[in-house]
Amino acid sequence: DQQVKQNSPSLSVQEGRISILNCDYTNSMFDYFLWYKKYPAEGPTFLISISSIKDKNEDGRFTVFLNKSAKHLSLHIVPSQPGDSAVYFCAASGNQFYFGTGTSLTVIP
Amino acid sequence: KAGVTQTPRYLIKTRGQQVTLSCSPISGHRSVSWYQQTPGQGLQFLFEYFSETQRNKGNFPGRFSGRQFSNSRSEMNVSTLELGDSALYLCASSLVGTANTEAFFGQGTRLTVV
Repeated sequence: DQQVKQNSPSLSVQEGRISILNCDYTNSMFDYFLWYKKYPAEGPTFLISISSIKDKNEDGRFTVFLNKSAKHLSLHIVPSQPGDSAVYFCAASGNQFYFGTGTSLTVIP
Repeated sequence: KAGVTQTPRYLIKTRGQQVTLSCSPISGHRSVSWYQQTPGQGLQFLFEYFSETQRNKGNFPGRFSGRQFSNSRSEMNVSTLELGDSALYLCASSLVGTANTEAFFGQGTRLTVV
């Protein structure tokens, strides 16, 4: 049973515009969430995280929003750059990471 | 400091064989977790080792096993390989575990079973 879901397998955005990647989870006990970025033939790289005591965390061009009541988080990338093209995984942290299936982002120059 | 190192990077095996994958975590990290990535399935948790003990285990058959050494290096073994075991196997290291912290991933071992 997939406890973390990314319902959009792919997303295309023009360079300079905002990219919004979404993630839903089912377990209300999750209290720490992360986003990872993955290029082909490489391991995932940590991007940004958020604790459930916050509803927003920002790091440069990347902002993660958490809506606990909706069990939803999103990653905003502004402005999007071609180098951001990759697969993005959201994850919930517990005694293991529960990963979504990923969203492939393509930023069009 | 050096990152997480996984060896080998690529491996081709025949059905029925067994395989051993290796992971060297970041220096000072004591927790090593293993994940299987297949198309459309995301990353599925295999198991976690901490201080040479398996602390958590995912829903994989007993053909998948692992161990951790006193220097925190970890190995994963898959016996009686099946075609469906073809995947990217990733290991992740963290200081004490994945609760409320990030983990750092290696580049993975691409296993192809023919």
